[in-house]
Amino acid sequence: AQSVTQLDSHVSVSEGTPVLLRCNYSSSYSPSLFWYVQHPNKGLQLLLKYTSAATLVKGINGFEAEFKKSETSFHLTKPSAHMSDAAEYFCVVSSLAGKSTFGDGTTLTVKP
Amino acid sequence: DTEVTQTPKHLVMGMTNKKSLKCEQHMGHRAMYWYKQKAKKPPELMFVYSYEKLSINESVPSRFSPECPNSSLLNLHLHALQPEDSALYLCASSHGGGPVEQFFGPGTRLTVL
Repeated sequence: AQSVTQLDSHVSVSEGTPVLLRCNYSSSYSPSLFWYVQHPNKGLQLLLKYTSAATLVKGINGFEAEFKKSETSFHLTKPSAHMSDAAEYFCVVSSLAGKSTFGDGTTLTVKP
Repeated sequence: DTEVTQTPKHLVMGMTNKKSLKCEQHMGHRAMYWYKQKAKKPPELMFVYSYEKLSINESVPSRFSPECPNSSLLNLHLHALQPEDSALYLCASSHGGGPVEQFFGPGTRLTVL
């Protein structure tokens, strides 16, 4: 069985300040983890993925995430928020069969 | 071509209508997925096709009928839907059926009257 918990339903930051979106996972095997972003009325776009290689994963648009097995966490960070980062973010764990379990999402608001 | 396309973008249908949603990809992916997404909620997996065979059906009501005519095309046939089926329907594809990146289409916004 697998599950994902996104610890914050809403995060609000000012433009230019750091972003932290938190994700904890549960998996009975070595997990594959993903962060996707969804802008309003759009499909989902992959930001980054962890598949048992380097624990610090760099993604698109300056985002990165660190896989911490001891804490069962995969938090998403960005050093400096941009207005265009305002969107819904989903943390996802995927099973070996390809079944993806989504977290409930975190809404990121970026204030000017 | 690195896109997943979905048609139509919007669909309004009555409870007695029959309609179909279409999804297409030309990336050579061999797994395709249908998701349902309600407002302010994460996508919920409905069906997975792997190598044109249905591999996962998440106990979806029979009023939703998927079809995979070939490796590039995925349809979702709709019949006798209920108002609570109104949602954004997302299609995705991936290289294989395992734990890999999925490429999502923009979705079809379905309204059932």
